[in-house]
Amino acid sequence: DSGVTQTPKHLITATGQRVTLRCSPRSGDLSVYWYQQSLDQGLQFLIQYYNGEERAKGNILERFSAQQFPDLHSELNLSSLELGDSALYFCASSVSGGTNEKLFFGSGTQLSVL
Amino acid sequence: EDQVTQSPEALRLQEGESSSLNCSYTVSGLRGLFWYRQDPGKGPEFLFTLYSAGEEKEKERLKATLTKKESFLHITAPKPEDSATYLCAVQAHSGYALNFGKGTSLLVTP
Repeated sequence: DSGVTQTPKHLITATGQRVTLRCSPRSGDLSVYWYQQSLDQGLQFLIQYYNGEERAKGNILERFSAQQFPDLHSELNLSSLELGDSALYFCASSVSGGTNEKLFFGSGTQLSVL
Repeated sequence: EDQVTQSPEALRLQEGESSSLNCSYTVSGLRGLFWYRQDPGKGPEFLFTLYSAGEEKEKERLKATLTKKESFLHITAPKPEDSATYLCAVQAHSGYALNFGKGTSLLVTP
């Protein structure tokens, strides 16, 4: 158990809908990362937060947004969903989000858009 | 743009048959190279971090090495429980996020 909690584990929804994925980092970790994993693209970095502030942005679509709350949990919001958004979404956390820190990953949320 | 390429995509070994997985990278200044293991339905689990060319790290049957252009994950006398997808990732001087390769899916048969 990595200590990172993601909910829900599975989510099935329809095209055009909006969903929210939730992540609680390990106790003491201040930085949260979101990744998307699909069979053809592998693990793609979406966005990183540190202590409530956005620190880095990757290949995140404009339809997607995220935030980190004062209690350090994070939410990833996906809107106007398309079939191609179906993927496994992982949250990871690290102590300070700095150099050479290892990331601890949650078990992921499997999103299916029908 | 940073690139991480892993080969082979899939590898099937007999128990006890040693082999190596490759991770080639191009990055604008390497902060660190990471190896992770991912089991089906689970998140990646940290194995090693390598910082500079020539560095080696070992853990049980796994040994990771690093050169200026690639890293190898050597698996000695593997067991069926070593079956998993092995992911390589780099952290560049340009940022803090890890850039992952697509992984090598390893199957070790008894």
